[in-house]
Amino acid sequence: ETGVTQTPRHLVMGMTNKKSLKCEQHLGHNAMYWYKQSAKKPLELMFVYSLEERVENNSVPSRFSPECPNSSHLFLHLHTLQPEDSALYLCASSLMPGNEQFFGPGTRLTVL
Amino acid sequence: GQNIDQPTEMTATEGAIVQINCTYQTSGFNGLFWYQQHAGEAPTFLSYNVLDGLEEKGRFSSFLSRSKGYSYLLLKELQMKDSASYLCAVRKYALNFGKGTSLLVTP
Repeated sequence: ETGVTQTPRHLVMGMTNKKSLKCEQHLGHNAMYWYKQSAKKPLELMFVYSLEERVENNSVPSRFSPECPNSSHLFLHLHTLQPEDSALYLCASSLMPGNEQFFGPGTRLTVL
Repeated sequence: GQNIDQPTEMTATEGAIVQINCTYQTSGFNGLFWYQQHAGEAPTFLSYNVLDGLEEKGRFSSFLSRSKGYSYLLLKELQMKDSASYLCAVRKYALNFGKGTSLLVTP
């Protein structure tokens, strides 16, 4: 069991659905991240939050909408996704941006 | 931007030593991380180098040369459980990861 939890662990959704991924960290960290991991591709950094403020958005399509209500929680709201968005979505946290990151177990997303 | 290169796959024998190389090109360097990721699991931290030289941690060591934009991860006394993907990540503000090296340890 790590200090970073993610729910759900698996999600199957249609292209017209709206769903949300949740991440929670119990490590007292100030930075949280969303990554996308597709087969045969490197981990892709999507968003970085530091002290609840978004500090980096790596040209992610607007159908992905992050939310960080406090330093312990991070959400990724999904709407009108495409089949190519199917991937493992990993949340991570660190004490400050750029420090050692601790990863959650990920949400395996399938878009039909 | 950042360009991080690692070999895609490597195979080594149980008990042997293997070296996984990583080269990078980046504007603004603030350290290099190595992570291990087993299939279907989240990455876990292995090592961090910010200054030139070798960092040793048990069976794993990591080396950095900032002038050459080069790092390697050295795994000694390989065990079957070391079969995993090894990710090199360069820190600028957040971490940017390479594609990872898939290591297969055979008996």
